[in-house]
Amino acid sequence: EADIYQTPRYLVIGTGKKITLECSQTMGHDKMYWYQQDPGMELHLIHYSYGVNSTEKGDLSSESTVSRIRTEHFPLTLESARPSHTSQYLCASSISSGAQFFGPGTRLTVL
Amino acid sequence: DQQVKQNSPSLSVQEGRISILNCDYTNSMFDYFLWYKKYPAEGPTFLISISSIKDKNEDGRFTVFLNKSAKHLSLHIVPSQPGDSAVYFCAAKYSGAGSYQLTFGKGTKLSVIP
Repeated sequence: EADIYQTPRYLVIGTGKKITLECSQTMGHDKMYWYQQDPGMELHLIHYSYGVNSTEKGDLSSESTVSRIRTEHFPLTLESARPSHTSQYLCASSISSGAQFFGPGTRLTVL
Repeated sequence: DQQVKQNSPSLSVQEGRISILNCDYTNSMFDYFLWYKKYPAEGPTFLISISSIKDKNEDGRFTVFLNKSAKHLSLHIVPSQPGDSAVYFCAAKYSGAGSYQLTFGKGTKLSVIP
């Protein structure tokens, strides 16, 4: 069973607010990822990290930012949330090869 | 251009019968394939994977078949159970050095009818 956690699970906020979605894993994985998924659509990679102090943007353009100061922690921040940011955000981690393991996700609604 | 395609948005199967979920890919560099299962409001759960050096991998009720020449893979679930009702995502990756990203299909919603 993968040990990867995301908080909050659900978040409803107003436009213009700054938010941070938390993701942490206890498996010691060096690779971590953030995906965005809308209903009926594929998962889109928005950020990834291959280790501490390493972050890269994914295939889908996103106004969010990430940081990787500790191996186990990979938070995602939106400086000013907008209704277009409404989506499910999924965090995952992996070792060098093989499967990625996902957290439970954060369902974000921006009013 | 979608590199991983799941052309059936939904599938209904009777309990106890076989469920077959299909996936096609276009990028010939992909050499590792995975299936994930996702319940609403939860993250995807890894089910089974297959490397391109194999054409079949089995784990309990789940078997994945890979046809490299057709760029096609399928997931068989036998026997299907009501708890298998979920969205199933196919994913692919290239295992070359420095490449760890997955490309996902849009998913197929499986409904197993009791």
